[in-house]
Amino acid sequence: EIMLTQSPGTLSLSPGERATLSCRASQSVSSNYLAWYQQNPGQTPRLVIYGASTRATGIPDRFSGSGSETDFTLTISRLEPEDFAVYYCQQCGDSPMCSFGQGTKLEIK
Amino acid sequence: QVQLVESGGGLVKPGGSLRLSCAASGFTFSDYYMTWIRQAPGKGLELVSYISSSESTIYYADSVKGRFTISRDNSKKSLYLQMNSLRAEDTAVYYCARGLDPRWYVFAYWGQGTLVTVSS
Repeated sequence: EIMLTQSPGTLSLSPGERATLSCRASQSVSSNYLAWYQQNPGQTPRLVIYGASTRATGIPDRFSGSGSETDFTLTISRLEPEDFAVYYCQQCGDSPMCSFGQGTKLEIK
Repeated sequence: QVQLVESGGGLVKPGGSLRLSCAASGFTFSDYYMTWIRQAPGKGLELVSYISSSESTIYYADSVKGRFTISRDNSKKSLYLQMNSLRAEDTAVYYCARGLDPRWYVFAYWGQGTLVTVSS
């Protein structure tokens, strides 16, 4: 079973700053199977990035994804107030199992 | 537009049963894998089960195997999750989700969720 470990657990930044969120896999994951989701309190998760680096429909270009094998990164270039949320990475390369990371909370400093 | 609407959640005693439903609209339901994902209060996301369009592929997380049964009715555009022998640790919001064509495992569409509370 592939485990995903996200770091940091909480990231405190100010609007306008750059955010870098990490997702590390216990085994190599094909980039095709790595996605990121955003969840605001009380809301449904929203797809942000899939295929490690492809932005989902409607996601602004300040969001970017990168990485390969066991190390993946979600970067938000200039934080807007609506970006403060919890972010989860997810893999489905370990078919038939899919797993999520434990989440990174991005909070306003 | 794609819509997924879950129902059937509620309060149930440990050992009890509940059946969740997810009504789909806005797409050809019979063409897609469908997935149940849950989130315990204040916790992260866990994929519970998925089912292929023809029901030939079904998967369960170890945590629910033998207790939960996923099914679908393509004529009714509906997905179901029969939950038996419920435990306190099954308490969660249960989401129905659909993938991003052709990647069933990229969850682009989510319902609003239905809350299941297992407590005596």
